[in-house]
This record gives sequence, C-alpha cells and structure tokens, in this order.
Amino acid sequence: KQEVTQIPAALSVPEGENLVLNCSFTDSAIYNLQWFRQDPGKGLTSLLLIQSSQREQTSGRLNASLDKSSGRSTLYIAASQPGDSATYLCAVILRDNFNKFYFGSGTKLNVKP
Amino acid sequence: DAGVIQSPRHEVTEMGQEVTLRCKPISGHNSLFWYRQTMMRGLELLIYFNNNVPIDDSGMPEDRFSAKMPNASFSTLKIQPSEPRDSAVYFCASSSPGQAAGELFFGEGSRLTVL
Repeated sequence: KQEVTQIPAALSVPEGENLVLNCSFTDSAIYNLQWFRQDPGKGLTSLLLIQSSQREQTSGRLNASLDKSSGRSTLYIAASQPGDSATYLCAVILRDNFNKFYFGSGTKLNVKP
Repeated sequence: DAGVIQSPRHEVTEMGQEVTLRCKPISGHNSLFWYRQTMMRGLELLIYFNNNVPIDDSGMPEDRFSAKMPNASFSTLKIQPSEPRDSAVYFCASSSPGQAAGELFFGEGSRLTVL
C-alpha cells in the first residue's frame, strides 16, 4: 500500500526566504506526482504535475523535483511571500490505477512579513 | 473553463435531515471523485466514477451515504439521515483521460455542519 508522508507538518519562515517542502512515498511505481496548494476554506489548487519520466517541473517561483528511486519529491519556493502562506499537499498515483490518488497530510506554511 | 463547480458552498442542517451535495465536473473529464476532509482524518476518498459508472465506493462510510452520476456533467452525494459526525468539507474533483491522466482538479468544496 502506498504511504505518502510530508514533513514537517508546519513551517514558519520570514518573507524572502527560499524554502523546501518534502514529500516521501513508499512505492516507487508511480505514474505521476502532483503538488497542490490549499488556502483556508478553499479547495485544492493544482500547482505542478510531474510525470514519472520527468525529474522536475517549474512554474514561476516554484520548482518541483522527483526522485523515484529514493521515493522523494521536493517543492522549492523561491523568495517566499506572505501570499504563499497556505497548506501544501502532494499526491501520487500508481501506474496500475490512474484513479487512486494517495495524498500526504500536508505542510502548513506561514510566511511572516 | 469554469472549473469544478460544487453547491451548496455551506450547509447547516439538523441531525436526521437529508443532505444533497451537487457537483459539475470540468467538461471533457471522464473521472469524478468525491472526497471528505476533516482535521482528524485529512482527505478521504469516498467514491469515484469513471465514464459515469461508480468504480470504487469502498470509502463510503455507511449506507446512509449514496452517490449518483446520471450524466457526464452532474453528480450528487446524498446523506440520509445525516449525523453530527458527518460534519466535514466535501470536495468533488475531476480528471481527464489521455496524456493528462491523473491530474486532479478540485472544486471549492461544500462545508457541511450537522447540528
């Protein structure tokens, strides 16, 4: 059974810092990995999707990397801003079932002005 | 595209009442998911449909919960009778086939409070 872990559960940083959020998974036979952002009282917004054949994806100040052999993904946020404060979740799906998403419990990020 | 649309956004009801949550997936998406989110348990998959057919309902907590997808653009999640422990945020999500398979898009959620 796929287990997805996100550590730390919460992170507080001053504005302007570069930071890394971690996502670990136990089964390396993934099809893709997706990073989401969730603001309080809102739904999950897709940030980046990395296919299993890719090593990284970038969008603006966000860069997500994938290392299947070690079962890890990182989300790098450059020059953090207070508007980045939210909960970040990762999810993976396996090659044998595109409809089974395994979610981490998320990292709650607070960027202090 | 308007994204995944859910209604109502908020529902407050009394124990024993019937609750119906509604979802319109993104046009062209052939998979639809219902999730429940609570502080204690995080995100839980309740049921998902593929091409309007329920594929896996093993996450539906009890017979009080039922879901339907009568066509490709509409799904409902019904709770009857509702109980206080059903209080949670219910999310609908959809994904598309083909090359983009596996990219999941969520609605804003329906926050249910059962008194």
